Amino acid sequence: NAGVTQTPKFQVLKTGQSMTLQCAQDMNHNSMYWYRQDPGMGLRLIYYSASEGTTDKGEVPNGYNVSRLNKREFSLRLESAAPSQTSVYFCASSRRPGQVDDEQFFGPGTRLTVL
Amino acid sequence: AQSVTQLDSHVSVSEGTPVLLRCNYSSSYSPSLFWYVQHPNKGLQLLLKYTSAATLVKGINGFEAEFKKSETSFHLTKPSAHMSDAAEYFCVVSDQIRTGRRALTFGSGTRLQVQP
Repeated sequence: NAGVTQTPKFQVLKTGQSMTLQCAQDMNHNSMYWYRQDPGMGLRLIYYSASEGTTDKGEVPNGYNVSRLNKREFSLRLESAAPSQTSVYFCASSRRPGQVDDEQFFGPGTRLTVL
Repeated sequence: AQSVTQLDSHVSVSEGTPVLLRCNYSSSYSPSLFWYVQHPNKGLQLLLKYTSAATLVKGINGFEAEFKKSETSFHLTKPSAHMSDAAEYFCVVSDQIRTGRRALTFGSGTRLQVQP
């Protein structure tokens, strides 16, 4: 099992460029999540998908869109990148959202710099 | 609304000495609590979790945490630090925000440094 995988690992963009971050999980989990991590702060939820075919906004969704392509894959798109989106992005998945013992499994992250 | 406060942004200990990383939380309902560890340039790994069973929770690599409802605390401890424990540690609270949906709130993290 690879767990949660993310591509790319690193990316540098210019302001206004677009890109898509890819995430896949092989644990047959129902729910998937996108977070961003900024210095001195914990992770903040951008978007999540409770199950295949559904997506919902998290705490900081502005400037992002997502697609739950199938049960395995959940992509995050930046349509017009801004320097404020410079961050480390983590994808996560979990089996039983809504259950008290539900654990999220995290990918290795994508380090994005917007110039 | 739920929140998490990690009381120390940096903790430095000597190898072989005890580790204490402090976490206080607030929650409207009965929360679940987690500690995650993040080694440099890596993703987050679950250390342990509290889900309303035993208040003293044992995790991986010798870590444990005690849930104290009266103090709204969930401090992480380890009797003897190892060099490989140097990492960033996140306290996380999970609370139900609506039927079938729980939200995670992360603390800002504590960077643990282990001196030889």
